[in-house]
Amino acid sequence: DQQVKQNSPSLSVQEGRISILNCDYTNSMFDYFLWYKKYPAEGPTFLISISSIKDKNEDGRFTVFLNKSAKHLSLHIVPSQPGDSAVYFCAAGRALNTGNQFYFGTGTSLTVIP
Amino acid sequence: DAGITQSPRHKVTETGTPVTLRCHQTENHRYMYWYRQDPGHGLRLIHYSYGVKDTDKGEVSDGYSVSRSKTEDFLLTLESATSSQTSVYFCAISDSQREGRSETQYFGPGTRLLVL
Repeated sequence: DQQVKQNSPSLSVQEGRISILNCDYTNSMFDYFLWYKKYPAEGPTFLISISSIKDKNEDGRFTVFLNKSAKHLSLHIVPSQPGDSAVYFCAAGRALNTGNQFYFGTGTSLTVIP
Repeated sequence: DAGITQSPRHKVTETGTPVTLRCHQTENHRYMYWYRQDPGHGLRLIHYSYGVKDTDKGEVSDGYSVSRSKTEDFLLTLESATSSQTSVYFCAISDSQREGRSETQYFGPGTRLLVL
């Protein structure tokens, strides 16, 4: 079963507007959440993270919101730029004695239209 | 960018042949991971390592083995490649856990494997 879900495979947004990417998870033991950006033929690049003790984290144009009761997180990009066009993966993880296990969503392909 | 390299970057092989992929890091991070990325599945964990000679299985470990004899190298072996193992393979690293919380993982550039 998919423990992390991104139900929107794709999203198109006009340049300058807000992009909102959503992610849902099922395991209440997850304590850390990440967003990655991926361009074709490259590895995922870390974008922003949030721990379960917070409900918001901001980094420049990127803000991640966490709603633990709904098991939902979202990534807001404001303003969206054409260079933001990529596939975005969310990941949820928990710390085990033997390491950090992360589960990834299936990705949302964002297209920012100039 | 984290110092992670993967080799080879591309490989074509035949069903039944053994294949080894290498991940090399220069960050001296404790934890290393192998993922595969497939359409409709996102990234799935194959195996991971929490120290030299310490490894454990991920969610899709069948048909794969790993070894870590040095901090900087983590090898993924397909003992007898099958067409279902055609995929893009990513290595990732992370630093030690802090206060019991998960730490961010940083990814290599990927290896594209085609099994004919």
